[in-house]
Amino acid sequence: KQEVTQIPAALSVPEGENLVLNCSFTDSAIYNLQWFRQDPGKGLTSLLLIQSSQREQTSGRLNASLDKSSGRSTLYIAASQPGDSATYLCAVPSGGYQKVTFGTGTKLQVIP
Amino acid sequence: GAVVSQHPSRVICKSGTSVKIECRSLDFQATTMFWYRQFPKQSLMLMATSNEGSKATYEQGVEKDKFLINHASLTLSTLTVTSAHPEDSSFYICSAARGSTEAFFGQGTRLTVV
Repeated sequence: KQEVTQIPAALSVPEGENLVLNCSFTDSAIYNLQWFRQDPGKGLTSLLLIQSSQREQTSGRLNASLDKSSGRSTLYIAASQPGDSATYLCAVPSGGYQKVTFGTGTKLQVIP
Repeated sequence: GAVVSQHPSRVICKSGTSVKIECRSLDFQATTMFWYRQFPKQSLMLMATSNEGSKATYEQGVEKDKFLINHASLTLSTLTVTSAHPEDSSFYICSAARGSTEAFFGQGTRLTVV
């Protein structure tokens, strides 16, 4: 059974800092890994999807890397802004390509 | 891009009533849809897999008589929470599978049972 853990569970940083969120998974036979953002009381926003053949993906100030062999992914946020405050979730396929197991989440607060 | 629409986004219902949540794939056909829920301060957990034209497959611990899933067409799956109780208050989200390797998420539904 796939288990996905995110560290840290919560993070508070001053505006402008670069930061790294970590995601680890137990079953490395994954097809892809996805990072989401969830704002309080709201739904999911897909940030980045990394295919198993890729090592990283970039979108604006976000960069996600994937190391299947070690069961790890990181989400790097450059020059953090207060608007980045949210909970970040990673998700990996579980028992099939389409249903996923979500990580435990990292709650990020960027202080102005 | 693939769009999945979930309705309603928020619903408040009285204890004992039933509430229906819809999940629609707007620009693709989805033979398989998934339903997840998120309790406060917890992560999202898979509840069930919804297959068009057949019965849903429920995860262990999910009451199939309480959470009725209907996937009557290739673009619509519904989740009905029957005889809702305050402990059913949660965030419910669906995803729709496109092909064999991709799934796209709806915006979610915040259910509050009072």
